Amino acid sequence: AQSVTQLDSQVPVFEEAPVELRCNYSSSVSVYLFWYVQYPNQGLQLLLKYLSGSTLVKGINGFEAEFNKSQTSFHLRKPSVHISDTAEYFCAVGNNAGGTSYGKLTFGQGTILTVHP
Amino acid sequence: DGGITQSPKYLFRKEGQNVTLSCEQNLNHDAMYWYRQDPGQGLRLIYYSQIVNDFQKGDIAEGYSVSREKKESFPLTVTSAQKNPTAFYLCASSIEGTAVYLQHFGDGTRLSIL
Repeated sequence: AQSVTQLDSQVPVFEEAPVELRCNYSSSVSVYLFWYVQYPNQGLQLLLKYLSGSTLVKGINGFEAEFNKSQTSFHLRKPSVHISDTAEYFCAVGNNAGGTSYGKLTFGQGTILTVHP
Repeated sequence: DGGITQSPKYLFRKEGQNVTLSCEQNLNHDAMYWYRQDPGQGLRLIYYSQIVNDFQKGDIAEGYSVSREKKESFPLTVTSAQKNPTAFYLCASSIEGTAVYLQHFGDGTRLSIL
């Protein structure tokens, strides 16, 4: 079984400030990790992914995330946010070890990022 | 442009009614998914299908049914047995292999009870 916990339900921040959205996961097998973004009344878009290799991954719109296996975390960061980054962000995990749960994403509860001018 | 089309965007259901949400994709993807989104709960998997004429229950399948008669289409029926159907429903698709997790999403259908 696997689970994802996003530690903050809402994160308010001023424009051009840095931001970190926190994500911890739990799994009995090795995993792939993802961040998706959802703008109001829309579906989700893939922001970035960790499949293997370098633990620091870069995504679209200047976002990056670091996979920390010992802390089972995959926090999302951006050094300087814009008003247009206001959205809900979802961390997700998928098992890479096969079995009946292969192919099923487990999502966190979401973090609403609000960027103020 | 390729993508996923969900319709209608808004849907209202009367008590005791079944309603069907449409999901069509022209991405030639093998796998398709239905998720339910409630505020503060993230996305929960209802049903998924990895191939035509086959589908599996997700974590919250009770009160829902699906079919996969064509590769492009994966309709979801919300039956009268689903006692709390008010939610935002998202359809997604992906190819097989590692990329199965790189899911493409439609823009959702918001279902409300009259």
